[in-house]
Amino acid sequence: AQTVTQSQPEMSVQEAETVTLSCTYDTSESDYYLFWYKQPPSRQMILVIRQEAYKQQNATENRFSVNFQKAAKSFSLKISDSQLGDAAMYFCAWGTNTGNQFYFGTGTSLTVIP
Amino acid sequence: SAVISQKPSRDICQRGTSLTIQCQVDSQVTMMFWYRQQPGQSLTLIATANQGSEATYESGFVIDKFPISRPNLTFSTLTVSNMSPEDSSIYLCSVEDRGSYNEQFFGPGTRLTVL
Repeated sequence: AQTVTQSQPEMSVQEAETVTLSCTYDTSESDYYLFWYKQPPSRQMILVIRQEAYKQQNATENRFSVNFQKAAKSFSLKISDSQLGDAAMYFCAWGTNTGNQFYFGTGTSLTVIP
Repeated sequence: SAVISQKPSRDICQRGTSLTIQCQVDSQVTMMFWYRQQPGQSLTLIATANQGSEATYESGFVIDKFPISRPNLTFSTLTVSNMSPEDSSIYLCSVEDRGSYNEQFFGPGTRLTVL
């Protein structure tokens, strides 16, 4: 069975600093996708960044980047130059390449300190 | 990216009653998903709804409690039946975008409180 683990229930970062959120997963499949979603207090889930497992290059999206270590089944999210608007719950997710299975981690609550 | 709306956005219901949540997408999608998110917790998949077939339910969820309809490629409903306070949760609809790395787009959710 696929599992997604986020070992940090809460994290905090000073505004303008960098923070890394951890995620590990377990799967026997070789082809899949990984995602980081953000859920602000307004609760609308928003995709932050995605990574295809067959790509070795780490995905980047402006201030957001990932460190994807396929062998270690690790998928961490780095947020650079943190902003107050980054405060939210962040969920790591794993999905099949057929799209019919999708698993979420337990989430990390990020606080940005002014 | 798909734009998803849900109705109602929130509701307060009495024990023993039923509530139907609607999910509308602005484009045709094959797969729609219903999730439950209990306070402070992660998302749990209730079922996958494909147009033209019965919904597929995850372990712990049954059709009698959570009947789902999927009459066309842009719409689905989830009914929470015979509600109890344990059903108080946020219910989220999502769709899969095959053209966008199979990512899922989420609706704004329905916050349900059962008294």
